[in-house]
Amino acid sequence: EAGVTQFPSHSVIEKGQTVTLRCDPISGHDNLYWYRRVMGKEIKFLLHFVKESKQDESGMPNNRFLAERTGGTYSTLKVQPAELEDSGVYFCASSQTRDFQNTGELFFGEGSRLTVL
Amino acid sequence: QKEVEQDPGPLSVPEGAIVSLNCTYSNSAFQYFMWYRQYSRKGPELLMYTYSSGNKEDGRFTAQVDKSSKYISLFIRDSQPSDSATYLCAMSSNTGGFKTIFGAGTRLFVKA
Repeated sequence: EAGVTQFPSHSVIEKGQTVTLRCDPISGHDNLYWYRRVMGKEIKFLLHFVKESKQDESGMPNNRFLAERTGGTYSTLKVQPAELEDSGVYFCASSQTRDFQNTGELFFGEGSRLTVL
Repeated sequence: QKEVEQDPGPLSVPEGAIVSLNCTYSNSAFQYFMWYRQYSRKGPELLMYTYSSGNKEDGRFTAQVDKSSKYISLFIRDSQPSDSATYLCAMSSNTGGFKTIFGAGTRLFVKA
């Protein structure tokens, strides 16, 4: 079974440019989460989808960030325009609610490293 | 105040040592307590899970949760160089859609 996959693994862009990160969750997982780790800080929650609906987007830094999950499958996170402080590693995770209650497990991708110059 | 506090280390121990990692938290609604392990350039992977209070043991790993003190611990016995990684505590509740909150992670180095 394929795990959570993220693209690209690393992106280097200039300030003011646009970047789109993609996440393919594990098939059948209704819950999809985006997290971000900025250098030296904790992995911080950005938002949570249940299928195609945004359950919680309280962690989104500002309106330069737009997340979508069309059809409840893959998700994209677009940063437009990118700023220096957006640099970090963006992680996607997925879970099935029933399984999470028994195991507490989020399945993470390897992350997309974003460098804004 | 952060919801979850974790000493980032680094923590360096000799092979065979017992390692103790800890986190404190402020939100009494947390019911699900996890420890994730993250190797360099990889995503976090679940290591241990405890629901509510108590202890759980899995091989060389023991997780403890003390909800009255809002304190959780992970013990690693007979530590190995392959245990060198970042260990992240994480917590969640069934309010707010099971949002999982992470500690900063403790970097552990086990020297051969």
